[in-house]
Amino acid sequence: GNSVTQMEGPVTLSEEAFLTINCTYTATGYPSLFWYVQYPGEGLQLLLKATKADDKGSNKGFEATYRKETTSFHLEKGSVQVSDSAVYFCALNMEYGNKLVFGAGTILRVKS
Amino acid sequence: GAVVSQHPSRVICKSGTSVKIECRSLDFQATTMFWYRQFPKQSLMLMATSNEGSKATYEQGVEKDKFLINHASLTLSTLTVTSAHPEDSSFYICSASPIIAGGYNEQFFGPGTRLTVL
Repeated sequence: GNSVTQMEGPVTLSEEAFLTINCTYTATGYPSLFWYVQYPGEGLQLLLKATKADDKGSNKGFEATYRKETTSFHLEKGSVQVSDSAVYFCALNMEYGNKLVFGAGTILRVKS
Repeated sequence: GAVVSQHPSRVICKSGTSVKIECRSLDFQATTMFWYRQFPKQSLMLMATSNEGSKATYEQGVEKDKFLINHASLTLSTLTVTSAHPEDSSFYICSASPIIAGGYNEQFFGPGTRLTVL
């Protein structure tokens, strides 16, 4: 079946540090890949997405590149801020499908 | 645009009572709405997929008679937790997909409902 594996957290960084959250997937076919962010007490917001191999999704300084050869979609940010503290979910969706498959989520804590 | 609301945001009820949670797409029509359950420090678990005007499709292990889903219109879906028990306490999140011909139908998430059963 389709699945997503994320690095375990929590990840604790100082402000302006470089962030990487690893995400790998297993899928039959060609999924679209997503990163969602959940701030405390809120629902999920789409952070970025990529729909085919080698696509790079980017938003708010975050980036992730769809790597088919390594089945990965690692999230990166060059300089994190305290306001980036949240839970980050990697997810996939099969081509023209509707169901999202989520990873376990990674808690990010940024200290000033 | 693409705003999804949930009501209530928090609810506390006694064991044995039923609780209804509403999910509305405020500025678009949604062919499909999804209901998720999220346990503390864990990922989202898809409970069911509902399409307007038809019966919901439940994921394996989710009790249909326990979690009643109604999708009566293109902007409203409801989840009723019947005869709630403390183990039903959780964070329930809905999402909605707008009507788009072809391609990926993005899901827009509601803010969630915190249910506490005493």
